[in-house]
Amino acid sequence: RKEVEQDPGPFNVPEGATVAFNCTYSNSASQSFFWYRQDCRKEPKLLMSVYSSGNEDGRFTAQLNRASQYISLLIRDSKLSDSATYLCVVALPAGNMLTFGGGTRLMVKP
Amino acid sequence: NAGVMQNPRHLVRRRGQEARLRCSPMKGHSHVYWYRQLPEEGLKFMVYLQKENIIDESGMPKERFSAEFPKEGPSILRIQQVVRGDSAAYFCASSPRTGTDGYTFGSGTRLTVV
Repeated sequence: RKEVEQDPGPFNVPEGATVAFNCTYSNSASQSFFWYRQDCRKEPKLLMSVYSSGNEDGRFTAQLNRASQYISLLIRDSKLSDSATYLCVVALPAGNMLTFGGGTRLMVKP
Repeated sequence: NAGVMQNPRHLVRRRGQEARLRCSPMKGHSHVYWYRQLPEEGLKFMVYLQKENIIDESGMPKERFSAEFPKEGPSILRIQQVVRGDSAAYFCASSPRTGTDGYTFGSGTRLTVV
């Protein structure tokens, strides 16, 4: 079983749509959670950290369910520029290593 | 303040040659990490270094791969006797302290083995 699992997609959605990505992680000791965005052939960039209380940044909302070991990302009012691969990432307490999921590809169409 | 600098951006090597990938961390960052991304896959941790020390190399292949972060100069990821399966994007990240705060990735080096 992979440590961090994501549906690879692709998710093809029209502009303005709401889209949700899910992710599960296997190590219950994981302490830090993130969503990264990776554009084609570029480096991953931090989109947002994920907290147990849930957090929102503009059109993006992230949720964490520790009991189910499940993380989600919701994107509202999708823009063409949101087209990218979204990477679910976890880290252990006091850890320095990030464990990446395989990514979910999003394509927003006009 | 320059970000994490990796060079070269693209590297082509014939099977059996050596590949050297360089990474200069952000100013003020003393922790360096190397990750590998195979085509159509996620990033996989390889090694974590501080100046002159390898802290965690649990993700490094046992043979042909080595990494260093000398007192002066960039961190180097070295792959000896490259094979086609080594073709991948190699990303370096740096951070200012232990933990995941401030983690910043470089643009990566794309290695192609022909």
